[in-house]
Amino acid sequence: KQEVTQIPAALSVPEGENLVLNCSFTDSAIYNLQWFRQDPGKGLTSLLLIQSSQREQTSGRLNASLDKSSGRSTLYIAASQPGDSATYLCAVRGSARQLTFGSGTQLTVLP
Amino acid sequence: GAVVSQHPSRVICKSGTSVKIECRSLDFQATTMFWYRQFPKQSLMLMATSNEGSKATYEQGVEKDKFLINHASLTLSTLTVTSAHPEDSSFYICSARPLAAKYNEQFFGPGTRLTVL
Repeated sequence: KQEVTQIPAALSVPEGENLVLNCSFTDSAIYNLQWFRQDPGKGLTSLLLIQSSQREQTSGRLNASLDKSSGRSTLYIAASQPGDSATYLCAVRGSARQLTFGSGTQLTVLP
Repeated sequence: GAVVSQHPSRVICKSGTSVKIECRSLDFQATTMFWYRQFPKQSLMLMATSNEGSKATYEQGVEKDKFLINHASLTLSTLTVTSAHPEDSSFYICSARPLAAKYNEQFFGPGTRLTVL
């Protein structure tokens, strides 16, 4: 059974800092991996999706990497802003095409 | 594009009553819809997967008689929590996968906060 772990559970940084969120998964036989953002009491917004054959994806200030063999992914946020404050979820899509979510990293960017 | 709506966004009910939550894909047809539950400070847990016109597939530990799922059309799925109890209080999120999903992507609704008194 796939297990997804995210570290740290919470992170607080001053505005302007670059930061890295970590995600690890136990079963490397994945179809793809996705990073989501969730604002309090809201649904999920997809940030980046990395196919199992890819190493990284970039969108604006966000860069996600994938090392399938070691079961790890990172989400890099450059020049963080208060508007980036949210919970970031990592989710792995397995062979059954279902998503398994990590417990998330709650990010607070202080102005 | 790819908007999923949920109704209601928030519901409070008394213990023992039933509550229905609707999930609609507004601008696409969804062959598959998913229902998740999220407890405070925890991640999303898949409850069930439904395909239009067929019975839902429930995850282990989810009572199918308590959480009734109906995927009546390619744009609508409903989750009915029957005889709700306070422990059913949670954030319920639906997700829909388009007919021609790229990379098996799915799109998420805004969630429904259920509080059972």
